[in-house]
Amino acid sequence: NAGVTQTPKFQVLKTGQSMTLQCAQDMNHEYMSWYRQDPGMGLRLIHYSVGAGITDQGEVPNGYNVSRSTTEDFPLRLLSAAPSQTSVYFCASSYTPGGWNEQFFGPGTRLTVL
Amino acid sequence: KNEVEQSPQNLTAQEGEFITINCSYSVGISALHWLQQHPGGGIVSLFMLSSGKKKHGRLIATINIQEKHSSLHITASHPRDSAVYICAVVSGGNQFYFGTGTSLTVIP
Repeated sequence: NAGVTQTPKFQVLKTGQSMTLQCAQDMNHEYMSWYRQDPGMGLRLIHYSVGAGITDQGEVPNGYNVSRSTTEDFPLRLLSAAPSQTSVYFCASSYTPGGWNEQFFGPGTRLTVL
Repeated sequence: KNEVEQSPQNLTAQEGEFITINCSYSVGISALHWLQQHPGGGIVSLFMLSSGKKKHGRLIATINIQEKHSSLHITASHPRDSAVYICAVVSGGNQFYFGTGTSLTVIP
């Protein structure tokens, strides 16, 4: 198993550009989520999904869109990047929703918005 | 507002010392997780707790639901334990809230 994979590892955008951060897992996990990690603030939940076709907002959803058309993939879209979205982004998955199972994290994407 | 508070923020220990990291939270939770973030940035799950105590090797995690408090203990600490340790709680079903982490350095 590859576990949770994320691409790209690094990305530099200009303000106003759009892009998609990719996340995939091969463990047949129901729950997938996106977090951003900023210095001094800890991880914050952006969006999550409890299964294909079902998504919901986390703590900091503004400026981000998600969709979940398959169990395996959970892309995160930035429609119009802003410098405030400069951060490290982590995707995670677990077998079921509800926080009762181990979370598996991807390696992260370091995004800089100029 | 910080739903999860960790202490200390930074911790330096000599190899072999017993280490305790504390986590307090202010919301009702269904579960609490302890995570380890390596110097390279990767994050791994150490424990998931809903009550009581769990042990894995030299690591012990406890939770007191009434006091809204959890502790992570490392016995016989080793330089390879140097990492950031993060407490996370699950509230409202699927909402995760994270502490800012405790940076641990173990000196040989």
